[in-house]
Amino acid sequence: AQSVTQLGSHVSVSEGALVLLRCNYSSSVPPYLFWYVQYPNQGLQLLLKYTTGATLVKGINGFEAEFKKSETSFHLTKPSAHMSDAAEYFCAVRTNTGTASKLTFGTGTRLQVTL
Amino acid sequence: KAGVTQTPRYLIKTRGQQVTLSCSPISGHRSVSWYQQTPGQGLQFLFEYFSETQRNKGNFPGRFSGRQFSNSRSEMNVSTLELGDSALYLCASSLGGVGGNEQFFGPGTRLTVL
Repeated sequence: AQSVTQLGSHVSVSEGALVLLRCNYSSSVPPYLFWYVQYPNQGLQLLLKYTTGATLVKGINGFEAEFKKSETSFHLTKPSAHMSDAAEYFCAVRTNTGTASKLTFGTGTRLQVTL
Repeated sequence: KAGVTQTPRYLIKTRGQQVTLSCSPISGHRSVSWYQQTPGQGLQFLFEYFSETQRNKGNFPGRFSGRQFSNSRSEMNVSTLELGDSALYLCASSLGGVGGNEQFFGPGTRLTVL
């Protein structure tokens, strides 16, 4: 069964500092991986996704993630944090069984950005 | 193109009642999935509908059910509500093909059971 582990339920960075949110996955088949962001009282917004091809994926708002099969990781990074990045971030793996599919989410990482 | 819409946004019910939540997917999307989000359990998959057929189901009791209409709109129903059903219920739509089609989420319905 596919699963996702996010290391660190809370991460705090200073404005302008590097953001690194960690995600490790477990999958018996080549995974489709996603990062979503959730702002308070809102739904989930897709930041980026990895399906096949280039392992470095660029997303919205300056975020990017690198798929490393040997490390079963898909860490999310942003070179310089902005106050508006404060939110909860979820890593997810998409499970395909025949034509059915579902997202399995990690437990989330709450990002705090301080002045 | 309009996003995924969910109604109502907030709902308060009492134990034992039933509730129906509605989701309108993005135009052209044929797959609708439902997720429950709680502080304790996180985001959990409820079910997925595609072309009016349930094609995937999560590990929830039979009190949780859903359906999809010919226009791809979906409803989920929870009967005999329990306190533990208090959660944010998120609906997501996608094109529905196999592969990496992303799911687009609505704002959610926050259900409070008293």
